[in-house]
Amino acid sequence: RKEVEQDPGPFNVPEGATVAFNCTYSNSASQSFFWYRQDCRKEPKLLMSVYSSGNEDGRFTAQLNRASQYISLLIRDSKLSDSATYLCVVKRGGGNKLTFGTGTQLKVEL
Amino acid sequence: DVKVTQSSRYLVKRTGEKVFLECVQDMDHENMFWYRQDPGLGLRLIYFSYDVKMKEKGDIPEGYSVSREKKERFSLILESASTNQTSMYLCASSRSVDSNQPQHFGDGTRLSIL
Repeated sequence: RKEVEQDPGPFNVPEGATVAFNCTYSNSASQSFFWYRQDCRKEPKLLMSVYSSGNEDGRFTAQLNRASQYISLLIRDSKLSDSATYLCVVKRGGGNKLTFGTGTQLKVEL
Repeated sequence: DVKVTQSSRYLVKRTGEKVFLECVQDMDHENMFWYRQDPGLGLRLIYFSYDVKMKEKGDIPEGYSVSREKKERFSLILESASTNQTSMYLCASSRSVDSNQPQHFGDGTRLSIL
């Protein structure tokens, strides 16, 4: 079983739609969680950290469920510019080693 | 803004060659990382370094080595390149060990081994 699992998609949604991605992780000792965004043929960039109480950044909301070991990302009012691959990332134990999911591809269409 | 610079965007080498990939960061970060990214497999950690002259193996170190002689520079070395090392290589850096500081990535080097 992979340490971090995501549905690869693609998710094709119309502009203005709300879309949600889930991600599951296998290591219950995982400490920190992130969503990164990767545009086609570009490097990954941090989108947002995921906090235990849930957190919001504009149109983006991240949630963490430790009991079920999953993380979610909700995007409201999707824009064409949101089209990208979204990587679920988990920090393992001490240090700064991250485990990346393979990503979920989002395509926002007119 | 953090700047992580990888020496080449595209590189073509032959089987058996020794290949050097260079990475430089300008933010005085302690941590530096080398990943490779392949379709369906995501990013996988090859090696990382928490300090000058310090290195630790990641998940897939076989066939690779690294060098960190200066804080700002982290080199990945393919000792004898093989076709299964054709991949996108990404360098990253972050501020300190036990924190939630994000990793900042370079643009990547797309390496083809013929």
